[in-house]
Amino acid sequence: GEDVEQSLFLSVREGDSSVINCTYTDSSSTYLYWYKQEPGAGLQLLTYIFSNMDMKQDQRLTVLLNKKDKHLSLRIADTQTGDSAIYFCAEMYSSASKIIFGSGTRLSIRP
Amino acid sequence: DGGITQSPKYLFRKEGQNVTLSCEQNLNHDAMYWYRQDPGQGLRLIYYSQIVNDFQKGDIAEGYSVSREKKESFPLTVTSAQKNPTAFYLCASSLTENEKLFFGSGTQLSVL
Repeated sequence: GEDVEQSLFLSVREGDSSVINCTYTDSSSTYLYWYKQEPGAGLQLLTYIFSNMDMKQDQRLTVLLNKKDKHLSLRIADTQTGDSAIYFCAEMYSSASKIIFGSGTRLSIRP
Repeated sequence: DGGITQSPKYLFRKEGQNVTLSCEQNLNHDAMYWYRQDPGQGLRLIYYSQIVNDFQKGDIAEGYSVSREKKESFPLTVTSAQKNPTAFYLCASSLTENEKLFFGSGTQLSVL
């Protein structure tokens, strides 16, 4: 079935790297996305990766895709207090032509 | 500035009442979506529309209704048939179906 799984919480020290992991089920997914949600706000698209790519880097963000294991990760370098938010992984589930979201990972930053 | 506007930010519903959540976009996007977000859960798709005057049910459409009379607007009505309406409702749009989604700032609906 269609499913995207993420751990619910992650706590990191300010200045360290954060790595948020996600697993998905649809091996024919074309796009995978990372969204950020701050409290009481909508979701903001952070980055996305096409399924024929292994890695994408955008400033402090690095996305790694392991298609064999259906595993996606988001690395945030030099994590800052402004990075505190919920991060959602999403896949375009091609067989049903819709986007499936994970439950979100709440990232908290320790001083 | 282009974007998606949801209103109101907070909404309260009385027992047996229908309420309508507004969603307007000026991005010239064809596709629009309504999602429901409950604490600790991912987003669940309520309804979506690929073009004007056409819409389809998502995974949890029961107790909700929508209309798409204009490209810019996709209002969601939460009917009295929806027995557990308390949630955060998010509207989104994309240029075409299931491309990158752009989200509004959400409406928090609570029951009095």
